[in-house]
Amino acid sequence: QSALTQPPSASGSPGQSVTISCTGTSSDVGGYNYVSWYQQHPGKAPKLMIYEVSKRPSGVPDRFSGSKSGNTASLTVSGLQAEDEADYYCSSYAGSNNLRVFGTGTKVTVL
Amino acid sequence: QVQLVESGGGLVKPGGSLRLSCAASGFTFSDYYMSWIRQAPGKGLEWVSYISSSSSYTNYADSVKGRFTISRDNAKNSLYLQMNSLRAEDTAVYYCARVSSLWEDVWGQGTTVTVSS
Repeated sequence: QSALTQPPSASGSPGQSVTISCTGTSSDVGGYNYVSWYQQHPGKAPKLMIYEVSKRPSGVPDRFSGSKSGNTASLTVSGLQAEDEADYYCSSYAGSNNLRVFGTGTKVTVL
Repeated sequence: QVQLVESGGGLVKPGGSLRLSCAASGFTFSDYYMSWIRQAPGKGLEWVSYISSSSSYTNYADSVKGRFTISRDNAKNSLYLQMNSLRAEDTAVYYCARVSSLWEDVWGQGTTVTVSS
């Protein structure tokens, strides 16, 4: 099972928006509405930010939103803040054999 | 509060074995499936293994199949990963994570495994 493809980096100024793409196949992203997104600060554990493509866990700011079209999912961070600077990983259910596939990761920089 | 704490990492020689543990607290451990996920130095996340709440179902990434064994003890609120025939490419931070439906919603802080001679 190949990793989902994300851009290595993305950036924006405080207050701006940044969108990260996550491209897979019909066997993972395109086949199920089970895409999740994780934020990881350096040296820390990943934190769930989005699940089931567009749902936010309790406590995650509504500045974070998710969507999907075909085999590509997207995470948008609106109103960028300094604390949003982190690595972001997408993940998708990939069927009963492979279960879970992660993206290659995107480093978001707040300029 | 909901918490997962991994332990058991360390330095091991190629071909050696290691057993990781994950202690859960703050939730009913026996109600949840659990996963192990790893992250090699400077690299992305890689799903390793998955176990059902009653241990009746397990699954593994191809990269560890036949070498790693996931297990759990619901009476002790603990998850385990037995790692045998370790290779240099198994060097990583290993995270245990709680599974909510088909995503991981709570992660531990990780334990570091280094495979080197």
